[in-house]
Amino acid sequence: SQQGEEDPQALSIQEGENATMNCSYKTSINNLQWYRQNSGRGLVHLILIRSNEREKHSGRLRVTLDTSKKSSSLLITASRAADTASYFCGTSYGKLTFGQGTILTVHP
Amino acid sequence: DSGVTQTPKHLITATGQRVTLRCSPRSGDLSVYWYQQSLDQGLQFLIQYYNGEERAKGNILERFSAQQFPDLHSELNLSSLELGDSALYFCASSEFGTDNQPQHFGDGTRLSIL
Repeated sequence: SQQGEEDPQALSIQEGENATMNCSYKTSINNLQWYRQNSGRGLVHLILIRSNEREKHSGRLRVTLDTSKKSSSLLITASRAADTASYFCGTSYGKLTFGQGTILTVHP
Repeated sequence: DSGVTQTPKHLITATGQRVTLRCSPRSGDLSVYWYQQSLDQGLQFLIQYYNGEERAKGNILERFSAQQFPDLHSELNLSSLELGDSALYFCASSEFGTDNQPQHFGDGTRLSIL
């Protein structure tokens, strides 16, 4: 069964807008990782946040983690058409378990 | 480019057959993971190897087996294939196989069962 569940399932925005995706999980984790998948390609690692961290930044990406609510969010600021992809959160407790992903479409 | 190489890119075969998928990890990575991605099941972890030894097992069917060779490349063997085995199979690698490291994914093998 899936550990992480992303929300929304699909998100459509205009270039320049911010995109926020959420991930909820059920059990304890060591860390949480976000990945991007372009159509027909493998997953690309974006950012890893440890269970004792609350926020992490990488370029236009901002990830938050709330272990009390068992949830994480990925914010992409000033989105570009090239950000169009599926985004997955992977929760890690020995092995990495992925949710179903959020399909992000950024219109030019 | 992740540095992880998977072959073949596409595979079309029939029910009941057996296939072998191959993966070369990123240079320097000792651990290899196999995942299955399908529309109904999503991305499922199958199995992990570290330096030739099995480290973790996920939702891998008994008809499936894998191994990691001394040169660290890995093979996933799928036998008695069923229509439901049609999916994208990904290999990923990481340096030490611990869960606090990112995994680097290949572009997958798309398996179609006719």
